[in-house]
Amino acid sequence: DAGVTQSPTHLIKTRGQQVTLRCSPKSGHDTVSWYQQALGQGPQFIFQYYEEEERQRGNFPDRFSGHQFPNYSSELNVNALLLGDSALYLCASSLKETQYFGPGTRLLVL
Amino acid sequence: AQSVTQLDSHVSVSEGTPVLLRCNYSSSYSPSLFWYVQHPNKGLQLLLKYTSAATLVKGINGFEAEFKKSETSFHLTKPSAHMSDAAEYFCVVSDQPRGSARQLTFGSGTQLTVLP
Repeated sequence: DAGVTQSPTHLIKTRGQQVTLRCSPKSGHDTVSWYQQALGQGPQFIFQYYEEEERQRGNFPDRFSGHQFPNYSSELNVNALLLGDSALYLCASSLKETQYFGPGTRLLVL
Repeated sequence: AQSVTQLDSHVSVSEGTPVLLRCNYSSSYSPSLFWYVQHPNKGLQLLLKYTSAATLVKGINGFEAEFKKSETSFHLTKPSAHMSDAAEYFCVVSDQPRGSARQLTFGSGTQLTVLP
């Protein structure tokens, strides 16, 4: 059984560009959450998707948006990238309470 | 609102000695609590979770944690450290405001170093 997978593993963008990150949940999981982990800090909750809708959102601007597909996979989109968006982006999937994390996508904004 | 405080940013122990990583939480509801571990350049792995059953929770790799409501603590322990335990450890709280999904709130992390 594959765990949570994310793509790409690494990404380099320049300020002002847009980026899309992808996540496939564990088999049988229907909920996907996204987190941003800046260097040396704990992950911060961005938002959570369930039944193809954003169910809850953390304190992130509208530049951060997402989508969940019928097969429960998800995308995170970030527009108008800033230097401060450089971080490890983690996806977590869950069926009930416990969230299982993927390896993350490391984004560097130059 | 929920929050987590990890009392030590760095802990250093010798191999074979006990490990104690301290965590205090704040929650408006009956929380679920978790410990995750993150090895360098890796994602987060669940060590153990407390969800209102037994207050002493056993996890993987010999780790355990005790939920103490009166002290609002959820400290992580291991009797004997192994070199492979060296990593960043995160204490995490999740509560359930009415109508809300289970958002995880992470502590700032404790870096565990294991000396030979």
